[in-house]
Amino acid sequence: QKEVEQDPGPLSVPEGAIVSLNCTYSNSAFQYFMWYRQYSRKGPELLMYTYSSGNKEDGRFTAQVDKSSKYISLFIRDSQPSDSATYLCAMADNTDKLIFGTGTRLQVFP
Amino acid sequence: DVKVTQSSRYLVKRTGEKVFLECVQDMDHENMFWYRQDPGLGLRLIYFSYDVKMKEKGDIPEGYSVSREKKERFSLILESASTNQTSMYLCASSLNRASGNTGELFFGEGSRLTVL
Repeated sequence: QKEVEQDPGPLSVPEGAIVSLNCTYSNSAFQYFMWYRQYSRKGPELLMYTYSSGNKEDGRFTAQVDKSSKYISLFIRDSQPSDSATYLCAMADNTDKLIFGTGTRLQVFP
Repeated sequence: DVKVTQSSRYLVKRTGEKVFLECVQDMDHENMFWYRQDPGLGLRLIYFSYDVKMKEKGDIPEGYSVSREKKERFSLILESASTNQTSMYLCASSLNRASGNTGELFFGEGSRLTVL
């Protein structure tokens, strides 16, 4: 079993839709949770960061962490074509090594 | 603006050739990492370094070595390239989380290597 599981998609939604991206994990020691966005032919960039459980909101993006279920989510409201990218979840215990999901490819069509 | 620069965006090499991938960061980060990214497999850690001249194996170090002679530079070496090393290679750097930082990784643009 992989430490981090993420549905690869692709996920195709119309502009304006609410998008839900998810990851599950097996290591209960993980306490740092991140979402990265990667555009085609570019390196990943940090989108959201959460420490431990709870929600965090930044504009149209909301990250949720449920440590009891070992489940994290990223919600995108009012999705735009510019949100079309691959979204990678990543997490870490108290070390500096991040473990990544395989990424979900999202396409938002006009 | 923070920056991680990878020396080559695209490389084509032949089987058996020695390949050097260079990475430089200008943020004075302690940590540097080399990942490879393949469809369906995501990002897999090859090697990482917490300090100058210090290196640790990641999840898939076989066939690779690294060098960190200066804090800002981390090189990935393929001693004898093979076709199964055709991939996208991503370098990243971060501050040490023990110092109270988030541990966010800053990535370069990637180096796409094709081994024929």
